[in-house]
Amino acid sequence: EVQLVESGGGLVKPGGSLRLSCAASGFTFSSYSMNWVRQAPGKGLEWVSSISSSSSYIYYADSVKGRFTISRDNAKNSLYLQMNSLRAEDTAVYYCARVDYLWLEYWGQGTLVTVSS
Amino acid sequence: EIVMTQSPATLSVSPGERATLSCRASQSVSSNLAWYQQKPGQAPRLLIYGASTRATGIPARFSGSGSGTEFTLTISSLQSEDFAVYYCQQYNNWPLFGQGTKLEIK
Repeated sequence: EVQLVESGGGLVKPGGSLRLSCAASGFTFSSYSMNWVRQAPGKGLEWVSSISSSSSYIYYADSVKGRFTISRDNAKNSLYLQMNSLRAEDTAVYYCARVDYLWLEYWGQGTLVTVSS
Repeated sequence: EIVMTQSPATLSVSPGERATLSCRASQSVSSNLAWYQQKPGQAPRLLIYGASTRATGIPARFSGSGSGTEFTLTISSLQSEDFAVYYCQQYNNWPLFGQGTKLEIK
């Protein structure tokens, strides 16, 4: 069974940092591109960042470019999102999701990040 | 950059009736379009991919159609569990989502 489990969310002050993790199981993690997608309270889905299976291709939304860093450790079946210089508008539930061709079939349960003083 | 626009923002339909949700792309995405359902407090669930193929375990009352720039998600006979928010999505190096349609009980 495919499982994606996010962790690392919490309350952080503006300007602070947080590192999210996504533990994958039930599939060959190293064969799939992965994404982070977030959802602010009461809002829609917003793509944050993508990383290819071997980390060769990495993309960021303009809203997080220069502040967030996506990475993965295929030996540990894990995906990460290092978030620096956090702003109030980064407050959201962050989901990791597996890319299946051009769709996101598997999603984690999400981890809540709250940026507030 | 391609923009995905969904309509309407909110759709009120009675249980047992048909619901039709629309998604428009600002330029052609061929058939590379997916639909997701999201219920409160839950992660999105893939319903339809390739514009018209149901994902694993999705009931036959859900159907997708369209290609190019115009797409439709149809729910043939609404069940109580179908009232949720629906998103369309296209993928070009990364996923791009529409703003969502909230399907509510009339």
